Amino acid sequence: IAGITQAPTSQILAAGRRMTLRCTQDMRHNAMYWYRQDLGLGLRLIHYSNTAGTTGKGEVPDGYSVSRANTDDFPLTLASAVPSQTSVYFCASSLMGLPQETQYFGPGTRLLVL
Amino acid sequence: AQTVTQSQPEMSVQEAETVTLSCTYDTSESDYYLFWYKQPPSRQMILVIRQEAYKQQNATENRFSVNFQKAAKSFSLKISDSQLGDAAMYFCAYRSALGGGSEKLVFGKGTKLTVNP
Repeated sequence: IAGITQAPTSQILAAGRRMTLRCTQDMRHNAMYWYRQDLGLGLRLIHYSNTAGTTGKGEVPDGYSVSRANTDDFPLTLASAVPSQTSVYFCASSLMGLPQETQYFGPGTRLLVL
Repeated sequence: AQTVTQSQPEMSVQEAETVTLSCTYDTSESDYYLFWYKQPPSRQMILVIRQEAYKQQNATENRFSVNFQKAAKSFSLKISDSQLGDAAMYFCAYRSALGGGSEKLVFGKGTKLTVNP
């Protein structure tokens, strides 16, 4: 069982370009999340999905979009990248409804927007 | 909105010694969960320990334990017999138990722990 995989591991992107960060989990978790981690700010929620077919906005959603066509995949798209989107992006998943639900994180994608 | 504060940007400890990392949070909810995550240089976020707010007993996982003070809204992490592998960023996180929407985590800004040999 791989858990959560993210691709690419890292990427350098020109400003204005479109980019999709991929996230796949094989734990059959119903909920998935995208966070960004910036130095000195911890992790902040971008978007989330409680189940396939539904998505919601987190704390910092502007400039990002997500889709949840199935249980396993939760891609994050930057339609037109800007330098302020330089960050480390983490995908996470959890099985909602359990008393001790825990979020499990992928290895992260380091993105540099120039 | 809930907030999580980690007042110690950096801490250091001697190998085999004990260290305590501080975390306070602000919420008007009575039911919630608290977590400590570890992030080593590999960047992977690893769950260290979790605490349910309705439980009075402090959670323990091997060398890791918490001091949960609900009235004071405090949730500190104690690492006993520190090991070199404990060196990492440690994040405190809060999650509402209300349900009905995003069970998102609210993170503190982290504490960088250095373990000296």
